[in-house]
Amino acid sequence: QQQVKQSPQSLIVQKGGISIINCAYENTAFDYFPWYQQFPGKGPALLIAIRPDVSEKKEGRFTISFNKSAKQFSLHIMDSQPGDSATYFCAATHSRGGTSYGKLTFGQGTILTVHP
Amino acid sequence: DGGITQSPKYLFRKEGQNVTLSCEQNLNHDAMYWYRQDPGQGLRLIYYSQIVNDFQKGDIAEGYSVSREKKESFPLTVTSAQKNPTAFYLCATGQGKKTQYFGPGTRLLVL
Repeated sequence: QQQVKQSPQSLIVQKGGISIINCAYENTAFDYFPWYQQFPGKGPALLIAIRPDVSEKKEGRFTISFNKSAKQFSLHIMDSQPGDSATYFCAATHSRGGTSYGKLTFGQGTILTVHP
Repeated sequence: DGGITQSPKYLFRKEGQNVTLSCEQNLNHDAMYWYRQDPGQGLRLIYYSQIVNDFQKGDIAEGYSVSREKKESFPLTVTSAQKNPTAFYLCATGQGKKTQYFGPGTRLLVL
């Protein structure tokens, strides 16, 4: 029930295209869903996050879509650029009550390659 | 990375040796975390600490130990009991139960 399943494992997109990464979760107690971007040899950096009371959140070229009933959420990268080439992780946590203080459950990661 | 320092960047361990990875933060965050990342895998939680002098095991704590004597510091020791220590180790901090901020990581290799 604690798993977050992420797909695809790898993704190749042409410059200017749309990159879409999907995640699904089982634990209905999750109420905060961040996405992280990681470049090789670096630590992950928070990209964008969403709470389940909204269906979409957009920041620049990055958009999270959230489907609460299906327990799925996805990251869309519009106008993908070679500089977006990185590994992307979705994650989930429950931020209210409980003993799992700030414990993030991560997806397996998606390696995105954007060709020029 | 800003505000979270991990050292060294690379660490080599001989068989049977304990090694300690450093994590320091100046973000004044209460919570600190240690993750292990293996190639092609997600991040797995080793230990976490909500407050000074208190810490809890994560999902893969066997073969590791931690201490939290100061708010700013959360060192991780990889003991000789950890039979497969080669990995990328990431320290993170957080304030509240949501966002975590990651350090630059330490890559541990076995000689």
